[in-house]
Amino acid sequence: QKEVEQNSGPLSVPEGAIASLNCTYSDRGSQSFFWYRQYSGKSPELIMFIYSNGDKEDGRFTAQLNKASQYVSLLIRDSQPSDSATYLCAVSDGGADGLTFGKGTHLIIQP
Amino acid sequence: NAGVTQTPKFRILKIGQSMTLQCTQDMNHNYMYWYRQDPGMGLKLIYYSVGAGITDKGEVPNGYNVSRSTTEDFPLRLELAAPSQTSVYFCASRRGVGRQETQYFGPGTRLLVL
Repeated sequence: QKEVEQNSGPLSVPEGAIASLNCTYSDRGSQSFFWYRQYSGKSPELIMFIYSNGDKEDGRFTAQLNKASQYVSLLIRDSQPSDSATYLCAVSDGGADGLTFGKGTHLIIQP
Repeated sequence: NAGVTQTPKFRILKIGQSMTLQCTQDMNHNYMYWYRQDPGMGLKLIYYSVGAGITDKGEVPNGYNVSRSTTEDFPLRLELAAPSQTSVYFCASRRGVGRQETQYFGPGTRLLVL
């Protein structure tokens, strides 16, 4: 069974610092890796995806992938209070049955 | 371009009642999905469809049924509602395959079964 593990938090980070969110997955056949942000009472919003080992940067966000360790991370630089949300890690093996989600990490940015 | 829309936004059901959650997408995506999200949990796949007339079970299909008569619509049917079906339900459609895939989510339907 495919599993995605995340620390549920809450993870508390001071405003302006770097927030580091981690995720491990069980299926070595996973091809694509996603980070979704979910505000309370809202639907998940895709913020980053990565499918090659290494780093991928987009603005203040950096996704990191290490397939050998089955590990994905998301770094948020210059954290803002508006970054406070639950971050869901999701993986896909490219099959029709879509994404497998972790339980999410609740991030709190302290002003 | 509305993306993925869901109705209703919120519903209270009594145990044993039935209802249909509606989902429509205007992006001409073949792949569509229904997930449920319980408090403090990730999303679990209920059913999915790879095109009109083709559906398949996900991880937690019991108590639900789906149909897909058109590319745009993918309704989820709850028969004989139970308290365990209290959850937030998200519909999603998918663009692309393999490394190019991206899922787009609707706003969700909050269901309370009492």
